[in-house]
Formats: sequence, C-alpha cells, structure tokens
Amino acid sequence: QSALTQPPSASGSPGQSVTISCTGTSSDVGGYNSVSWYQQHPGKAPKLMIYEVSKRPSGVPDRFSGSKSGNTASLTVSGLQAEDEADYYCNSYAASNSWVFGGGTKLTVL
Amino acid sequence: EVQLVESGGGLVQPGGSLRLSCVASGFTFSTSWMHWVRQAPGKGLVWVSHIKSDGRDTSYADSVKGRFTISRDNAKNTLYLQMNSLRAEDTAVYYCSSDGAYALHGWGQGTLVTVSS
Repeated sequence: QSALTQPPSASGSPGQSVTISCTGTSSDVGGYNSVSWYQQHPGKAPKLMIYEVSKRPSGVPDRFSGSKSGNTASLTVSGLQAEDEADYYCNSYAASNSWVFGGGTKLTVL
Repeated sequence: EVQLVESGGGLVQPGGSLRLSCVASGFTFSTSWMHWVRQAPGKGLVWVSHIKSDGRDTSYADSVKGRFTISRDNAKNTLYLQMNSLRAEDTAVYYCSSDGAYALHGWGQGTLVTVSS
C-alpha cells in the first residue's frame, strides 16, 4: 500500500494549461481503470473531479480532463482560473478491496 | 443531494478508543459502498477502510488493520468506525465517503480526532 507519486507542486498563469502526473505500479494505476482525482481547497472537504480515468461528474467544468498511460495517470486543467488554486490528489483502486492516494500536488495560479 | 455528517471525534489519550459515526442522506445508503479517509494536520489524504453495501465485506489500510473496525447500520443510514489502541499518528480529520465506480463521490465535512496525553 505505497502512496502514488505526485509532484509536490505545479503552477500556471491564468488561461494556461497545467498537467499533474500520478505514478503508481501495475498493481494499482496500471492494473485498473479506476483512477480518480480530487480537488481540495484549504479547510474544505475533498471534491471528486475525475473518475474512471477520464469521466467527469456532473457539475465539473470540462476544463478538467484525465488520462492514463501505463502506470501513470494525468490530470490536465485547461484555461486556468484563480479558483483552480487548490491541492489535487489522485487515487487508484489497488486490488483486494484496497485504495491508495497520491501524496498530493499544490496547484498555484500565478 | 448526497449529505454525509460525521461525528464522534475528540481528544483521546494514547491507547484509548473512540467511535466515529457518519449519518448519510440524499442517496440509497443501503446499496452503497462506503469508505473512511483521514488527513493528518498539514498532510495528504490517506485511505483507511472500506465496507460493501451489506456490511459483510470489509478492508483496511495496513496502518490500522487489527485496531480499527468499520461497520454500518443500513436501517439507520449510518456508517461507523471503531478505533481502538489509538496512537499519536492516528491524529487526523476523518472523512466518510460514498463510493461510486470505485471512486469517492460524496464526502462529509470531517471530524477531528486528536490522540494526545
């Protein structure tokens, strides 16, 4: 149950795109299409942004997109807006009814 | 609208016990898988435990296995986490969450557990 690997920080200017990576193994990210992404603003509960690698829950802007290649998943935020500044966490199903989060990435909008 | 309300957190001494509750509304609790997730102060999210809809199948992170027990009462739309042999490193905000397609869709506001003497 080792945590997935995310970069600690990422940044971009308003209107730009930024991509956050999430690296696991063939036992989690690479083995299942059950990767999800969460946004968390300070002092708030996490919010689901992407599930099943690339699906968006209703209400999540289409500026947020997800993808996966091998053992690495990615979250792309296009057309960055000030309100996108937050912590982002990836999560993957990891077999035997276990799940694992990434360490989190702090996204700064410059 | 999914609503999850946790309670039961507080200050407890090392080695002590605490029982968290999470009351669910706005969705069909009895057919939903549920999770507990925790977040230590200033740290990231950590998955803690999962329970299937009928309560018969449960799973735990290695760090809490043998000390924590997840359960549910579908008649009361309530999820529980019994925490025993608490350690300082269990200090965290504990969130309950509803599962959908192996993702954590709904989240509560969290309840803070502090383990300290």
